[in-house]
Amino acid sequence: AQSVTQLGSHVSVSEGALVLLRCNYSSSVPPYLFWYVQYPNQGLQLLLKYTSAATLVKGINGFEAEFKKSETSFHLTKPSAHMSDAAEYFCAGSLTGNQFYFGTGTSLTVIP
Amino acid sequence: DAGVIQSPRHEVTEMGQEVTLRCKPISGHDYLFWYRQTMMRGLELLIYFNNNVPIDDSGMPEDRFSAKMPNASFSTLKIQPSEPRDSAVYFCASTPGRRAPLHFGNGTRLTVT
Repeated sequence: AQSVTQLGSHVSVSEGALVLLRCNYSSSVPPYLFWYVQYPNQGLQLLLKYTSAATLVKGINGFEAEFKKSETSFHLTKPSAHMSDAAEYFCAGSLTGNQFYFGTGTSLTVIP
Repeated sequence: DAGVIQSPRHEVTEMGQEVTLRCKPISGHDYLFWYRQTMMRGLELLIYFNNNVPIDDSGMPEDRFSAKMPNASFSTLKIQPSEPRDSAVYFCASTPGRRAPLHFGNGTRLTVT
């Protein structure tokens, strides 16, 4: 079955600490993977995308993600958290056909 | 490019009333998706269109919900009659294809009293 799974519905980090948000996928075809961020009362904004060109993908606001086929993972990282990073983060995949699968989201809290 | 445009931004209505949500996708995007977001259920796909044709409407909750895409630049999601449990944020998104990301509108926050 095709799916995208985010581990951890809530993550808290201290300002300046590493941010790691986990995402795993299940797909019978090569996936196209995306990370989105949602700030309160706003729509989802694209952070970065993996479309098979390079396994390490850099996005906006200092975020990056690495596609690991052997682990079926696409974890999102940022070396140093900023207060403005507090938001909801969604991992999504275009796994088969033209269907987009979304994870359940991870709420990131940044502690000053 | 103005992005995906949704209207209205907020809608408050009474139970039993008809509600129509509107979406204008990005020009050239052949796929349009309607999602619903609530605290309890998260982000749910309701329906998606390809070249104005509904492809998968299995996420539409019940017959009270209907969606149309009369042309490439406009889609509507209608709820008739509305119920309090329909209260949610409804998002429209478009994309040129599966290799490209979805572009989301700012959503319509629906409150049914």
